Amino acid sequence: DAKTTQPPSMDCAEGRAANLPCNHSTISGNEYVYWYRQIHSQGPQYIIHGLKNNETNEMASLIITEDRKSSTLILPHATLRDTAVYYCIVRVATSGTYKYIFGTGTRLKVLA
Amino acid sequence: GAGVSQTPSNKVTEKGKYVELRCDPISGHTALYWYRQSLGQGPEFLIYFQGTGAADDSGLPNDRFFAVRPEGSVSTLKIQRTERGDSAVYLCASSFTGVTEAFFGQGTRLTVV
Repeated sequence: DAKTTQPPSMDCAEGRAANLPCNHSTISGNEYVYWYRQIHSQGPQYIIHGLKNNETNEMASLIITEDRKSSTLILPHATLRDTAVYYCIVRVATSGTYKYIFGTGTRLKVLA
Repeated sequence: GAGVSQTPSNKVTEKGKYVELRCDPISGHTALYWYRQSLGQGPEFLIYFQGTGAADDSGLPNDRFFAVRPEGSVSTLKIQRTERGDSAVYLCASSFTGVTEAFFGQGTRLTVV
């Protein structure tokens, strides 16, 4: 079962920041939050991940609340090419094994 | 290689037939995952390999599904007696270790008619 909940869809104006929320209230202490996106007919693309600190890379920023029960992915200047389904994922680690549990994601549409 | 490679990209088979789907992970990646994605859904975990061994196969839906990775590199997902409900995109991903981020291939679209 998915450990995250996300809004099913969002719109964002081109050039503006896209803020995608995610709830993961049952996350455990050693479980990371990952974000992937999937553009139509392609495999999921890694964006960013974090444990408890905020993270930033060339694609996005990840803000994780202090209690770790929710996070926000920020695309600072959305472009039309950022239109995709964005998945917030909890990576489960059990006895040295790992798996990414996907939910249904947020369909982000960037509008010109 | 440059990325995770999956072959074939599309496979159409008749109900009841046997199919094999191949995944070539990124060179040097020891961890390998198989996922299945139905239309409009997020990817569903099937199996995780660390090296040659299946460390977690809890996502395989039934005993018609089997996966191997005999030399710790290429993996094959095998489906026996295919059913129409097996139609989906099968995704493979690999990572340097299970701890690092996984990179996905483009998937194999399986259609059972």
